[in-house]
Amino acid sequence: EIVMTQSPAALSVSPGERVTLSCRASQSVSRYLAWYQQKPGQAPRLLIYGVYTRATGIPARFSGSGSGTEFTLTISSLQSEDFAVYYCQQYDKWPPITFGQGTRLEI
Amino acid sequence: EVQLVQSGAEVRKPGESLKISCEGSGYTFPSYWIGWVRQMPGKGLEWMGVVYPGDSDVKYSPSFQGQVTISADKSIRTAYLQWSSLTASDTAMYYCVRFGDHTAMLPYWGQGTRVTVSS
Repeated sequence: EIVMTQSPAALSVSPGERVTLSCRASQSVSRYLAWYQQKPGQAPRLLIYGVYTRATGIPARFSGSGSGTEFTLTISSLQSEDFAVYYCQQYDKWPPITFGQGTRLEI
Repeated sequence: EVQLVQSGAEVRKPGESLKISCEGSGYTFPSYWIGWVRQMPGKGLEWMGVVYPGDSDVKYSPSFQGQVTISADKSIRTAYLQWSSLTASDTAMYYCVRFGDHTAMLPYWGQGTRVTVSS
């Protein structure tokens, strides 16, 4: 099973800031890496898949990068609606699909 | 438009059985893997497993193998998650999810079904 590790667990930020979240895989996942956003009381929403590709309707301030085992999600200028929990997910070798433990963005 | 509509919240006692459902619409139901993700209170996301309705093939996470049963009825476009004997540790939100085109990323999520197990 591939273990996904996100850092940091929580991050205190301000609107307008640039933020970078990290995700590490215990072995290479090639380009099969996705990011999700979850707001309180809501189902998660797909943000990025295939490391770089934004899902439908996702603003350009969200971008993904990385390869192999090290990946990042960058939010170029935080908006108030971006305060949420972010999860990475590998879908290279499954079952099982595995998620990171999440990074909480808070004010 | 792809939609996944889940059954409503459930409250059960330990030892009871339960089956929750997820109806898919807006796409060719037999042709996409559909499954379940658990989120315990205040915790992260855990992938439980998926079923391919076209041939009923099921893939489980090792963490959930033997603990739950995942199935689908393609005639009514519905996937299921069931327990034969619930415990308090099954208390969680359960999300129905559908794979993307030719990949196992998760672009489609149901609204969630809250399951509470308490004596």
